[in-house]
Amino acid sequence: SAVISQKPSRDICQRGTSLTIQCQVDSQVTMMFWYRQQPGQSLTLIATANQGSEATYESGFVIDKFPISRPNLTFSTLTVSNMSPEDSSIYLCSAMDNVNTEAFFGQGTRLTVV
Amino acid sequence: GQNIDQPTEMTATEGAIVQINCTYQTSGFNGLFWYQQHAGEAPTFLSYNVLDGLEEKGRFSSFLSRSKGYSYLLLKELQMKDSASYLCAVRDLGSGNTPLVFGKGTRLSVIA
Repeated sequence: SAVISQKPSRDICQRGTSLTIQCQVDSQVTMMFWYRQQPGQSLTLIATANQGSEATYESGFVIDKFPISRPNLTFSTLTVSNMSPEDSSIYLCSAMDNVNTEAFFGQGTRLTVV
Repeated sequence: GQNIDQPTEMTATEGAIVQINCTYQTSGFNGLFWYQQHAGEAPTFLSYNVLDGLEEKGRFSSFLSRSKGYSYLLLKELQMKDSASYLCAVRDLGSGNTPLVFGKGTRLSVIA
């Protein structure tokens, strides 16, 4: 199974600033995804991070607010831009490969915007 | 679109059996997953069903009926450490690996 390292694990940020979250997988994976999880809620898909091309965003999420990079098959970043308190949430990186059926998750980044 | 429903909360006694139900409505279907998530931690994979029937893995079993859009997760011999959220997720049809769409999760409390 793939092991995903995500950082930072948590951060407290001022409104109006931006935070970039990094996700490193210990093996090459075909697909990487970013989810958001509000307190006590389930996971909401933000976007699919495509290697070498623009990410595919879900309804309600836009590139200007959540720019995503995926320069290779093991690494991706999610930036939360121009943050407001409503962006306070847990952000999770996920990956899938061609060997295993299930998706793997990073430990998450707990973001608090003040 | 996809709609996935599961109970919000359940309580069960240590040593007992509990069944967590999940119903789904999807435009396409390519598998149903159950994940366990302890508070403050990442979801961990429990089971996967793509064909009808029961999949058993130790104390955990998962059932799928595609015609009914229904699944359940069965936990036997409950332990206190089983207190967690259990997430039902569905994968849609698509080329390659499509992302999982999650239900809201069921928070299970195991009591002595």
